[in-house]
Parts: sequence; C-alpha cells; structure tokens
Amino acid sequence: QKEVEQDPGPLSVPEGAIVSLNCTYSNSAFQYFMWYRQYSRKGPELLMYTYSSGNKEDGRFTAQVDKSSKYISLFIRDSQPSDSATYLCAMNRRADSWGKLQFGAGTQVVVTP
Amino acid sequence: DVKVTQSSRYLVKRTGEKVFLECVQDMDHENMFWYRQDPGLGLRLIYFSYDVKMKEKGDIPEGYSVSREKKERFSLILESASTNQTSMYLCASTPGNSPLHFGNGTRLTVT
Repeated sequence: QKEVEQDPGPLSVPEGAIVSLNCTYSNSAFQYFMWYRQYSRKGPELLMYTYSSGNKEDGRFTAQVDKSSKYISLFIRDSQPSDSATYLCAMNRRADSWGKLQFGAGTQVVVTP
Repeated sequence: DVKVTQSSRYLVKRTGEKVFLECVQDMDHENMFWYRQDPGLGLRLIYFSYDVKMKEKGDIPEGYSVSREKKERFSLILESASTNQTSMYLCASTPGNSPLHFGNGTRLTVT
C-alpha cells in the first residue's frame, strides 16, 4: 500500500468554480506538507507548503492539514483555465529532509472556459 | 529564481546502452536529487547528494548510479539501460531548509 494516496482524476470544473483536491497518508511521522503544480511537459513547481495541522492561504490557494485524520487538502478559488494542470501532494518525515519526499500520484485538473 | 537545468528534454536509447542524464543548478544549493515519474506511481526518489562527492541511495536505486564532482552538477547514470527504465526523470535541488526546486525533466525512452 502506498504511503500517500491521491485520486488521479481527471477532475473537470467550469471556470470560476472552486477546485478541491486532497491526499490521505498513512505515516504519522510526516511533518511538512507540500503542493506542487505540474503543467504538461514541465517539471513540478511548488505552490505552497505547511507545517503540521492547520490552514494556510496564498491568494486563490488554501492548503489544509488535518494530522488527526491524516488528510490534506488544497482549494483553488475562482478557478481559471490556466489552473489546468496536474497537482501533486508531497510530504516528508523529518524537518531536515526537504528533498526526501513521498509524493501522491497526482490529480489532473481541467478547468473549462 | 532558482534554475535547475536538465541538459536533454527527450532521449531515445537502446537496451544495454550506458546513459548519462545531466543536471545543473545555479543557486549554490548543497542538496540535489534525482526522481523518476511514472503514471499512477508519482515521483520516486532514485539517488540524492548532500555534498560534493557524496551520494546516498533513495527508494529505487537499482540499475542507477550518480556522480557529483562539482557542487552545481549532479549526473544520473544508467549503467545498462533497460526498457523498464523508460520514464520521466526529474532533477531537483534545495539549500536544505526549504522545499525542492525541480528541473523540467528528461523524458527517456529505451527501445
């Protein structure tokens, strides 16, 4: 069983809608939680990262972490066609292991005009 | 902005060939990583390096080796390419106190 589970989608939403993405994980040692966005034929780019439980907001993006449920979410408000991409969740076990990440498989998002 | 550059976007190699994938970062980062990305499996860590001449195995090192002769350059080597190594290869770096920055990847096909 994978340590990090993520629904692959595709998730199709109309422009302006809220996109809701989530990942579940099994290892309670994970401490830092990241969301990356990956456009087709490009490398992943970091959107947001959070430490432990709680919410973090950055513009149209909100990341939530619920460690008690081992569940993380990313919300995209007022979605745009330019948000069409694959979204990857990632997490690591220790604060000093920024590079040794466990990734979800990614959710493909399509925002239709 | 951090720039991680992978020398090839697409490569086609034959089974049994020795393959070199090159990666250079321009931000003086100590730590560099090689991941492969496959549909349904996500990104998996192959090898990483915390310093020049230093290397450590990741989760799937079999069939691969690495070289880090200079701080800015980290090479992934497929000693004898096989068809199951057909994949997207992603190089990344970090200074050690913040998340990874990725290159745009090399899509390798082994025939």
